[in-house]
Amino acid sequence: SQTIHQWPATLVQPVGSPLSLECTVEGTSNPNLYWYRQAAGRGLQLLFYSVGIGQISSEVPQNLSASRPQDRQFILSSKKLLLSDSGFYLCAWNPRSSSYEQYFGPGTRLTVT
Amino acid sequence: QKEVEQDPGPLSVPEGAIVSLNCTYSNSAFQYFMWYRQYSRKGPELLMYTYSSGNKEDGRFTAQVDKSSKYISLFIRDSQPSDSATYLCATSFNKFYFGSGTKLNVKP
Repeated sequence: SQTIHQWPATLVQPVGSPLSLECTVEGTSNPNLYWYRQAAGRGLQLLFYSVGIGQISSEVPQNLSASRPQDRQFILSSKKLLLSDSGFYLCAWNPRSSSYEQYFGPGTRLTVT
Repeated sequence: QKEVEQDPGPLSVPEGAIVSLNCTYSNSAFQYFMWYRQYSRKGPELLMYTYSSGNKEDGRFTAQVDKSSKYISLFIRDSQPSDSATYLCATSFNKFYFGSGTKLNVKP
């Protein structure tokens, strides 16, 4: 069966510090990968998606970036965090062959102070 | 106009009630319609999906799509306290579009 991991689960970082969140998927190959942000009481905002190694599409211009160094690894980064980067970050994957299945990781709660 | 609109609630019902959660969508090209359940501080989990119009039933849950009015519904029968969560509707066409979620509280 497929499993998606995210870490860390929670993170408190000062403004201006760097960020690295990691997501890995097990039990599948060639998945589409996604990073979302969910602000308190709000919906899911798609940040990045990737259809393959090194292929990243950005949905929202901001100080975040994403990379996919391996087929089942997706990394979200920032060089300098802003207060507005606080939120719940979710990694997700879906099979290339499916138009409806999307599976989410447990999320990382980021607080920028 | 957002692709998917959803009433944020919150919705509070007594245990055993029938719950109706609703969304509207804008693009008639959408074919797949999904419902996700998200418990507090957890990632969303796929609850059920429907393709095109019609109903789909899974236990106490029924998903309904009316393409003529671009309306998506999720019905929960005999609601339980364990159903308390945020429910997000979604659709997909090349990529996924989510509603903002409706927070449901089922009181014992």
